[in-house]
Amino acid sequence: DVKVTQSSRYLVKRTGEKVFLECVQDMDHENMFWYRQDPGLGLRLIYFSYDVKMKEKGDIPEGYSVSREKKERFSLILESASTNQTSMYLCASSPGTGGTDTQYFGPGTRLTVL
Amino acid sequence: AQSVTQLGSHVSVSEGALVLLRCNYSSSVPPYLFWYVQYPNQGLQLLLKYTTGATLVKGINGFEAEFKKSETSFHLTKPSAHMSDAAEYFCAVSEGYSTLTFGKGTMLLVSP
Repeated sequence: DVKVTQSSRYLVKRTGEKVFLECVQDMDHENMFWYRQDPGLGLRLIYFSYDVKMKEKGDIPEGYSVSREKKERFSLILESASTNQTSMYLCASSPGTGGTDTQYFGPGTRLTVL
Repeated sequence: AQSVTQLGSHVSVSEGALVLLRCNYSSSVPPYLFWYVQYPNQGLQLLLKYTTGATLVKGINGFEAEFKKSETSFHLTKPSAHMSDAAEYFCAVSEGYSTLTFGKGTMLLVSP
């Protein structure tokens, strides 16, 4: 079974703090993704990575950055957290064979910024 | 650009009734289509996907979906709802690359 784990299920931070969300997958997948999920808006892609040290902006990259130093690990960084970044963050991975790939999701991190 | 529209943010059915969740897509190329399910406090998991070939796709837990190119639709159905089907369902489209565009989701409520 593919397993995608996220470092925290719940996180509370203060405005202006630097926040790190970590994601690890154990299936040697090439692709990894960070989404933001908000009620009524569905999932929106923040960033994705198709290889180590490679990254591509998604639909809503503003205010976020990412790091992929190892194949199995993909980090989402909020340089200076703001209240409008309060959300559920979902990490996913996929094999990297193309558009028919299944994406495998972690359980999510619910981030609250006060 | 690709897009997905899910009709109805909430759908309510009685246990044993037909489940029908609607999804329409827009794509400039033949699409790959997916349905994912999210149970409370969990991540998403794949229900089924259409890539090529047979247009009626069967998935897990008795769900199926039919790709209708002429209607640009990929509606999800299940003949008889079960209480355990209560969840949020997301339709998604890919144009051949590794990224997906998701719809806004439909919450399925099942009453006894």
